[in-house]
Amino acid sequence: DSGVTQTPKHLITATGQRVTLRCSPRSGDLSVYWYQQSLDQGLQFLIHYYNGEERAKGNILERFSAQQFPDLHSELNLSSLELGDSALYFCASSEGPDSVEHFGDGTRLSIL
Amino acid sequence: TQLLEQSPQFLSIQEGENLTVYCNSSSVFSSLQWYRQEPGEGPVLLVTVVTGGEVKKLKRLTFQFGDARKDSSLHITAAQPGDTGLYLCARHTDKLIFGTGTRLQVFP
Repeated sequence: DSGVTQTPKHLITATGQRVTLRCSPRSGDLSVYWYQQSLDQGLQFLIHYYNGEERAKGNILERFSAQQFPDLHSELNLSSLELGDSALYFCASSEGPDSVEHFGDGTRLSIL
Repeated sequence: TQLLEQSPQFLSIQEGENLTVYCNSSSVFSSLQWYRQEPGEGPVLLVTVVTGGEVKKLKRLTFQFGDARKDSSLHITAAQPGDTGLYLCARHTDKLIFGTGTRLQVFP
């Protein structure tokens, strides 16, 4: 158990819809990262928050947004969903930007 | 984007065999990490290599960082079914850039 909690584990929805994925980091970790894992693109970095502030951005679509709240949990919002958004979405947390990242077990998103 | 190419992409072997997985890049890295991801779980860090030529051992797993710090290898001796999973190399800065992955299946 990494100590990182992601909910829900599975999400099935339709094209055009909007979903919110939630991540609770390990106790004491200030950094939260989001990654997308798909069969064709592999595991790709989306965005990094540190203590509530956006720290780094990867290839995150404009339809996607994230935030980190004062209690340090984070949410990833995906809107206007397309079939190609079907993937595993992982959250990771670390003490700080250069520390080891610990991954949650992911949310599997299926778009029908 | 600094690509990390892994080979082979897939590996299917019998229990007891040895194997080597490679991670290559055209860029120099200050450090490289190896992760294993099992089905239904997130990646778990196995090791970080920092110094060119460095060799680290973790039970039956041997990790090597190339002298020029552009490549790395993971060697597994006497593979077991429990070694089955996706092996990923990664470069770590303020985020992780993952390699293309090697999916290993070890049959009993």
